[in-house]
Amino acid sequence: ILNVEQSPQSLHVQEGDSTNFTCSFPSSNFYALHWYRWETAKSPEALFVMTLNGDEKKKGRISATLNTKEGYSYLYIKGSQPEDSATYLCAYYSSASKIIFGSGTRLSIRP
Amino acid sequence: DGGITQSPKYLFRKEGQNVTLSCEQNLNHDAMYWYRQDPGQGLRLIYYSQIVNDFQKGDIAEGYSVSREKKESFPLTVTSAQKNPTAFYLCASSSLTEYGTDTQYFGPGTRLTVL
Repeated sequence: ILNVEQSPQSLHVQEGDSTNFTCSFPSSNFYALHWYRWETAKSPEALFVMTLNGDEKKKGRISATLNTKEGYSYLYIKGSQPEDSATYLCAYYSSASKIIFGSGTRLSIRP
Repeated sequence: DGGITQSPKYLFRKEGQNVTLSCEQNLNHDAMYWYRQDPGQGLRLIYYSQIVNDFQKGDIAEGYSVSREKKESFPLTVTSAQKNPTAFYLCASSSLTEYGTDTQYFGPGTRLTVL
């Protein structure tokens, strides 16, 4: 059974602090990994698409890394701001055309 | 504005009734998807379609049906055979440039409650 785990489930961070969380996925049959941000009362929005081992992507204060050999990706947020409060989802694409989403990490920023 | 719309936002259904959830996109995307979310779980794929008049079952298709008569529209019917239909339903679409690299664009979702 293919499983995608995200940890922690929830996270409370002081404004200005940096933080990171993890998406773990099967290392076999890997094809791609997507990160999405899902703000309350809005639709999930794409952050990154990562395909190659060692990939690093950055968008403003948010960055992500990918390790396909050990099956994990980290999402980093530098200098957290209130607008970063959201649920962050990862989605694993296997080479067998399966898409599996993690249950998300819910991030809350304390002002 | 380009995007995906889902209606209604909230839907209440009596046990034993079929109900259809609407999903429309004007992004000219070939692929469309239906997901279900339950508390504490990730999005689970119900059905997806890559071309008009064709669709494939996802991981939890039992008790659901879909149609794809137009490129823009991918309605989902929750039938009375679905044992536990109360959930949040998300529709998404994507282009089909290359599997795995096309990001999905999501609608706002429909929350279905069975009374």
